[in-house]
Amino acid sequence: QSALTQPASVSGSPGQSITISCTGTSSDVGGYEYVSWYQKHPGKAPKLMLYDVTKRPSGVSNRFSGSKSGNTASLTISGLQAEDEADYYCSSYTNSRAFAVIFGGGTKLTVL
Amino acid sequence: EEQLVESGGGLIQRGGSLRLSCAVSEFTVDSNSMSWVRQAPGKGLEWVSVIYRDGTTYSADSVKGRFTISRDSSKNTLYLQMNSLRDEDTAVYYCARLDSISATYFDFWGQGALVTVSS
Repeated sequence: QSALTQPASVSGSPGQSITISCTGTSSDVGGYEYVSWYQKHPGKAPKLMLYDVTKRPSGVSNRFSGSKSGNTASLTISGLQAEDEADYYCSSYTNSRAFAVIFGGGTKLTVL
Repeated sequence: EEQLVESGGGLIQRGGSLRLSCAVSEFTVDSNSMSWVRQAPGKGLEWVSVIYRDGTTYSADSVKGRFTISRDSSKNTLYLQMNSLRDEDTAVYYCARLDSISATYFDFWGQGALVTVSS
């Protein structure tokens, strides 16, 4: 059982927007501005898409955005494209473990 | 750009040992906190071990006492020594760099090394 809860799957049509949620507790998501998101295509390395809740690394499309409310963080992808189809993982700092980073269980995004 | 290249994966018998290496370039392995993350077939990402800049190490409960993370500054390489391997250790193992400011996210990843544990 993962420490952060994500929906198993979401889907959307090209051009639409989708949102993936990531729910934790006040010891992690709700207590700190340290949520990150990773995109994972099969057979490829994970790729950092967002960090510190809303920040995008250089080279990541501005179609990807992040937000947080209480103990739930969200990743929104606007203008869905076929290449966005992948697994997405959230991650957060936590004050409840020796190693301070925990992952969500992952969400499979299908572009219809 | 920063690069991480894993090696050392393969097919190993249950109970055996294997050492993964992660050669890094464009940054130094001892000036950054580094970690191993794995993904078992059909499963999500699972953190395995971390070595912080100051040398402090931690491992997940699932591998504690069996896996050891280390680094060699002269070779600019990160290692994961895996002993007493179990079927459930079968996974792709990624080395990843933690960001240098907060050490709360992984900003660069290797391409992964497949470890298959078989009886």
